[in-house]
Amino acid sequence: GDSVTQMEGPVTLSEEAFLTINCTYTATGYPSLFWYVQYPGEGLQLLLKATKADDKGSNKGFEATYRKETTSFHLEKGSVQVSDSAVYFCALSGSGNTGKLIFGQGTTLQVKP
Amino acid sequence: GAVVSQHPSRVICKSGTSVKIECRSLDFQATTMFWYRQFPKQSLMLMATSNEGSKATYEQGVEKDKFLINHASLTLSTLTVTSAHPEDSSFYICSAPSGTSVSTDTQYFGPGTRLTVL
Repeated sequence: GDSVTQMEGPVTLSEEAFLTINCTYTATGYPSLFWYVQYPGEGLQLLLKATKADDKGSNKGFEATYRKETTSFHLEKGSVQVSDSAVYFCALSGSGNTGKLIFGQGTTLQVKP
Repeated sequence: GAVVSQHPSRVICKSGTSVKIECRSLDFQATTMFWYRQFPKQSLMLMATSNEGSKATYEQGVEKDKFLINHASLTLSTLTVTSAHPEDSSFYICSAPSGTSVSTDTQYFGPGTRLTVL
């Protein structure tokens, strides 16, 4: 079945460092891909998404490109801030146009000043 | 953006009792809502799809008689954990897509409900 694999955390970076969180997926068909962020004490928020191959999603300085050939959707940011500390989830839309989301295990990012 | 609320945010109950969790879309209508369960330091696992005016669709391994879902209106879905036991303790999260294309529309998540069964 469909699945998402994220790099294990926690990831600890200094402020202004470059961030990469790896995400690979297995899916039938052509899913949409998402990154969600969960700040401490809050619900999940959509960070960015891509709906087809080679699309690049971007928001708040974060980017991810839908790579069909490598089945990847890695999250990157050029210069992280302390306020980016959160848990990041990669997800894909399940097959069958049902709206179901399949999540990776989440990666905790801690940015130190 | 759209807002989804959940109530209560935290609940503690005794083993054997039932607990109802509400999920509301505050500024949009949702014919479909989703219920997830999140274990500590783990990912979200989809439990069921809640459909307005019809029966919920449960994922494999989820007991439908234990986790009763009712989607009575276009803005409200409820999850009732019946005869709760300590192993049902978890973080329950609902979500709702903002439009009619469930596979590509942005899904908005509630803040979650922390259930602790003693």
